[in-house]
Amino acid sequence: SQQGEEDPQALSIQEGENATMNCSYKTSINNLQWYRQNSGRGLVHLILIRSNEREKHSGRLRVTLDTSKKSSSLLITASRAADTASYFCATLLRDATNKLIFGTGTLLAVQP
Amino acid sequence: SAVISQKPSRDICQRGTSLTIQCQVDSQVTMMFWYRQQPGQSLTLIATANQGSEATYESGFVIDKFPISRPNLTFSTLTVSNMSPEDSSIYLCSVGAGKTEAFFGQGTRLTVV
Repeated sequence: SQQGEEDPQALSIQEGENATMNCSYKTSINNLQWYRQNSGRGLVHLILIRSNEREKHSGRLRVTLDTSKKSSSLLITASRAADTASYFCATLLRDATNKLIFGTGTLLAVQP
Repeated sequence: SAVISQKPSRDICQRGTSLTIQCQVDSQVTMMFWYRQQPGQSLTLIATANQGSEATYESGFVIDKFPISRPNLTFSTLTVSNMSPEDSSIYLCSVGAGKTEAFFGQGTRLTVV
């Protein structure tokens, strides 16, 4: 089952614009992670934010976490055509199982 | 970090047959995870595989359909049994997660005809 939902389901922007994706989840988490997947292949880890953190940056990526609203957002600034991919949030549940539960994903298309 | 070799990368199988997917990790890990990604969908966790014990399956997945082996700390297999076209998906193995990032194999793209 999915832990959370992402919106939008699909996003199309022009190169140079910013892209924002949102993730909502249902249960208490240890951390929240964002992954990218190109063309249905293996996933690449982008960034991890812990439950006691509110914002984190990595290069052109900015992630926020609001545990009171059970939501997170991923901002990609100055997007490039190479950013075209599916983006997934994934939550590590606050239990001993170490299970990573994925959201529904956002398909991002960056037009050159 | 961890590097995972997953094979086969893709296969086309006849309905009613079984396929075994292998994942080899370059380091010893306690837990390995198997996911299914149906066409155009997100990843759904099938089961957690621990060395030396039975795999733990998520709701909707059963051992008879998806038997898992975990003979040592670097290797696991997932078998998709008695396949039907509905089993056509990408299957991925994963290690890590916890306090750090997870690492994924490149996936097995399965088509059942």
